[in-house]
Amino acid sequence: AQSVSQHNHHVILSEAASLELGCNYSYGGTVNLFWYVQYPGQHLQLLLKYFSGDPLVKGIKGFEAEFIKSKFSFNLRKPSVQWSDTAEYFCAVYNTDKLIFGTGTRLQVFP
Amino acid sequence: DAGVIQSPRHEVTEMGQEVTLRCKPISGHDYLFWYRQTMMRGLELLIYFNNNVPIDDSGMPEDRFSAKMPNASFSTLKIQPSEPRDSAVYFCASSLESGVEGYGYTFGSGTRLTVV
Repeated sequence: AQSVSQHNHHVILSEAASLELGCNYSYGGTVNLFWYVQYPGQHLQLLLKYFSGDPLVKGIKGFEAEFIKSKFSFNLRKPSVQWSDTAEYFCAVYNTDKLIFGTGTRLQVFP
Repeated sequence: DAGVIQSPRHEVTEMGQEVTLRCKPISGHDYLFWYRQTMMRGLELLIYFNNNVPIDDSGMPEDRFSAKMPNASFSTLKIQPSEPRDSAVYFCASSLESGVEGYGYTFGSGTRLTVV
């Protein structure tokens, strides 16, 4: 079965620092990959998705992710974080009618 | 559209009591998903429905958990009897067509369950 691993459980950054959150998936075939964000007290929202084509995907709020098939990775990046990016970030893979999520990474950004 | 509506937002109950969580999906969406979020395991898929029919309940942790979808606009997740380890945030999500490969999932605001 497909699975998703997020190795960074908690990341603490200062504003303007660069961000990279790791995501690895287990399936070797065609994959559809997603990053969701959950702001404090809110529901999950889609940040970006990859289905096919350009492996560098741009999402909302300046986030981007790069699909590297050889590494089974789909890392999330942002060049300069803001305090408002404080949230929990989930990587997910689509598998036969459903989304399988990683355990999430909690990001704290300090002013 | 008001989005996916879950109730209650918070539930505190004593161990052994029955708990019922409710979800109203977006009108017209034919897939409904129940997820559980904990610190240790992140987001786990418990069960999902397509056109009101349960498709995969392999994520339901124990027989104490049951879910129903009596019609296209309502679903319940029931825990009977509840235990402290059931404490978590339970999310409901719906989508128009799961066949569009995960695009278009809308999540509810979740129910935070605390079992004491």
